[in-house]
Amino acid sequence: DTAVSQTPKYLVTQMGNDKSIKCEQNLGHDTMYWYKQDSKKFLKIMFSYNNKELIINETVPNRFSPKSPDKAHLNLHINSLELGDSAVYFCASSQGPLGTQYFGPGTRLLVL
Amino acid sequence: AQTVTQSQPEMSVQEAETVTLSCTYDTSENNYYLFWYKQPPSRQMILVIRQEAYKQQNATENRFSVNFQKAAKSFSLKISDSQLGDTAMYFCAFMKGGSGSQGNLIFGKGTKLSVKP
Repeated sequence: DTAVSQTPKYLVTQMGNDKSIKCEQNLGHDTMYWYKQDSKKFLKIMFSYNNKELIINETVPNRFSPKSPDKAHLNLHINSLELGDSAVYFCASSQGPLGTQYFGPGTRLLVL
Repeated sequence: AQTVTQSQPEMSVQEAETVTLSCTYDTSENNYYLFWYKQPPSRQMILVIRQEAYKQQNATENRFSVNFQKAAKSFSLKISDSQLGDTAMYFCAFMKGGSGSQGNLIFGKGTKLSVKP
């Protein structure tokens, strides 16, 4: 069983489109995260949710909107996609903000 | 603000040899955690080792061990008996501890390790 899963694994789309990436964890964790890995492999946190409440919102354009319908899911919706949004997006989860974070397999987004 | 520096963009090692990856960090916090994550070509981020700053004993996981020097703010990773499957990007990461922590992992830029047969 996959602990943290993301769909889709690959996403190719045109500039200006709106897309969503889904994340689910079956570890029973209460905290979930989104990270962005750019073309130089640099990883940076975007959002963090604890018990469905937003606790971190780094300087991310408001075109990015996370949604947590329950503690096991944290989805990422992106409006009006831009070329610079091309990256690998990772979801992660932990038990509390101090717990070890376990990552999903990543979603490679390519905006043309 | 905390920063994490990995000064070796690329390294290589012969199979069965030992290699050490360096990591330094800057923080004014006293309560924090340090991690090494591995990212093989499959892209999956895999936890290698975790160290609590309040623990003086260096963490170990099988062939992986760290040399944690708190005063020097250094956290190097030693891989013993390197295997071909250790070929990956290795990321050092810092996380603030304490009740105010939000779980924000701050990553270094990574070291690409190649294990050669």
